[in-house]
This record gives sequence, structure tokens and C-alpha cells, in this order.
Amino acid sequence: QVQLQESGPGLVKPSQTLSLTCTVSGGSISSGGYYWSWIRQHPGKGLEWIGYIYYSGSTYYNPSLKSRVTISVDTSKNQFSLKLSSVTAADTAVYYCARSIVVVAATHFDYWGQGTLVTVSS
Amino acid sequence: EIVMTQSPATLSVSPGERATLSCRASQSVSSNLAWYQQKPGQAPRLLIYGASTRATGIPARFSGSGSGTEFTLTISSLQSEDFAVYYCQQYNNWPPATFGQGTKVEIK
Repeated sequence: QVQLQESGPGLVKPSQTLSLTCTVSGGSISSGGYYWSWIRQHPGKGLEWIGYIYYSGSTYYNPSLKSRVTISVDTSKNQFSLKLSSVTAADTAVYYCARSIVVVAATHFDYWGQGTLVTVSS
Repeated sequence: EIVMTQSPATLSVSPGERATLSCRASQSVSSNLAWYQQKPGQAPRLLIYGASTRATGIPARFSGSGSGTEFTLTISSLQSEDFAVYYCQQYNNWPPATFGQGTKVEIK
């Protein structure tokens, strides 16, 4: 059974960089066949896809956040990470990591982490 | 970017009744559509993919239909554990992945 677990600071100051890590267990990122995504949910709102990474390191980001987002992978630790720079209160959200199966292209999200709330405040 | 629109925003249903949720895409997504259920304080859970295929472990009372731009999630007989928010997501044209704004199914 694949499990994903987010970790990182729950409080970030405005203008700083938000950093989160997703640890994958029960499956290997380096086996391929999956995209590993970050998705966020503002309080009481819907879901916003941030970006994904493949085990090879190839990435794609949501154009709305592209200038501030970096996603990286560490296959030796079976982890992938999110960095979001120059945060403001508008970046306060629950951040999820999730897996999607690759069938020619990315598909639906079959496994999700439990989510971690990140608050941007001084 | 494909815009997904769900209706209604809130659906009030009595336990045991049928619930019908709609999702519309701004352009055709073929059958590349998924539905998720989210309960308070929890991550979304995959219910349906390929517009009509139930994910592993999902009860048969959940069914999905549609293709192109119009999709429906039906819960045939609502159980207490089904009261939640439901999201649709298209994966025909992504990135970026796009979700609907959600439908809240509440107890009538």
C-alpha cells in the first residue's frame, strides 16, 4: 500500500520561502510510471494543482505559480519536495502531495498524503 | 486551461435517497474525468476515473457517467458516510490539472 506523508514548517513569514517534503513509502519513486504532484487547498476552497515531477527530474508547473515554484526529487530518500518563494498570506493553505499514474500522459490522482496546513504570517 | 464547473454548489439529500451531481467541462475532455470525495480534515479520495470506472474499494452505490463535456456522479442510496464534498477533475488536457469547485452533499 503506497503512502505519502508531507512534512515541513507550519508557519512561514511573508516574503520567505515555503519548503515542504513528501516522503513516499510502499513504492519507489524511481520505478517510474507515475508523476508526483503538489496540490493545495485554500481554507474552505477548492483544489489547485501546483506542479509535478517525474523520477527523472522533469517537471511541469501550473503557469499561475510557475515563477515562484520549484519541485525537486531525491530518489535515494524516496522523497520529493516543494519550494514556493516570496510567499504572502494568499499562500496560506493545506498542501497535499499526490501520485498520478502515467498512461501516455498524466491521469487521475490515486494516492494522496494527509495534507499539511501552512500559514503565512509574521 | 480547461475550466470545470460543478452544480449544484450544495445538494441537500435525505439518507437513503439518490444524489445526482453534475460536472461540465469548458471543452471536451473525452472520458478523462475523475471524481473525488473529501470529508472535513481529510485528503480527497479517488472514487471514479475514466468517467465511469470505480476505484478500488469504492462501493457500487457510486457510479459515474458522461463523456465530452457533461458528466454525472450518482450516489444511488446515500449513507451517512457519504455526506461530504465531491470534486471532479479533468486529465484530458493537462498540465495543468484542473478541478471543479466542488459540490457539498449535506443532510436534508
